[in-house]
Amino acid sequence: DSGVTQTPKHLITATGQRVTLRCSPRSGDLSVYWYQQSLDQGLQFLIQYYNGEERAKGNILERFSAQQFPDLHSELNLSSLELGDSALYFCASSNLGLAGNNEQFFGPGTRLTVL
Amino acid sequence: SQKIEQNSEALNIQEGKTATLTCNYTNYSPAYLQWYRQDPGRGPVFLLLIRENEKEKRKERLKVTFDTTLKQSLFHITASQPADSATYLCALDVDTGRRALTFGSGTRLQVQP
Repeated sequence: DSGVTQTPKHLITATGQRVTLRCSPRSGDLSVYWYQQSLDQGLQFLIQYYNGEERAKGNILERFSAQQFPDLHSELNLSSLELGDSALYFCASSNLGLAGNNEQFFGPGTRLTVL
Repeated sequence: SQKIEQNSEALNIQEGKTATLTCNYTNYSPAYLQWYRQDPGRGPVFLLLIRENEKEKRKERLKVTFDTTLKQSLFHITASQPADSATYLCALDVDTGRRALTFGSGTRLQVQP
């Protein structure tokens, strides 16, 4: 158990809909990262928050947004969903703001299926 | 364009042998390189981190080398066991203020008993 929790575990929805994925980092970790993993794309970095502020942005679509709250939990909002958004979404946390110099602890993921 | 290459073909070895996985990268100058293990349907688990000024790092049966001239990292598992069967991912900090990790696509290791 990494100490990172994600809810829900599974999510099935229809195209055009909007969903919210939730992540609670390990106790004491200030950084939260979001990743998308699909079969043909591998693990893709989406966005990072550090202590409530956006820190780095990856290949995140404009239809997607995220935030980190004062209690450090984070939410990833996905809107106008398309079939291609079906993937595993992982949240990870670390105690530093620099991605390379510290290990990231990954949650169990949310499997999103868009029908 | 920036690229990380890991052998997409599965690596099959016999129990007790040493598994060697390769991570090659181009157009990066990473300060750090990390290796993760991922089991099907689960989140990656951190294994080792190696810095650009370190040639080699060890942890129990694991060994990682980092050659910044060749732009290559090798990941070794000695005395491999069936429980080592998983996908192994390498990850580099992208040179944008060192604020993001870019992952390779991973190599699946299968250790036969």
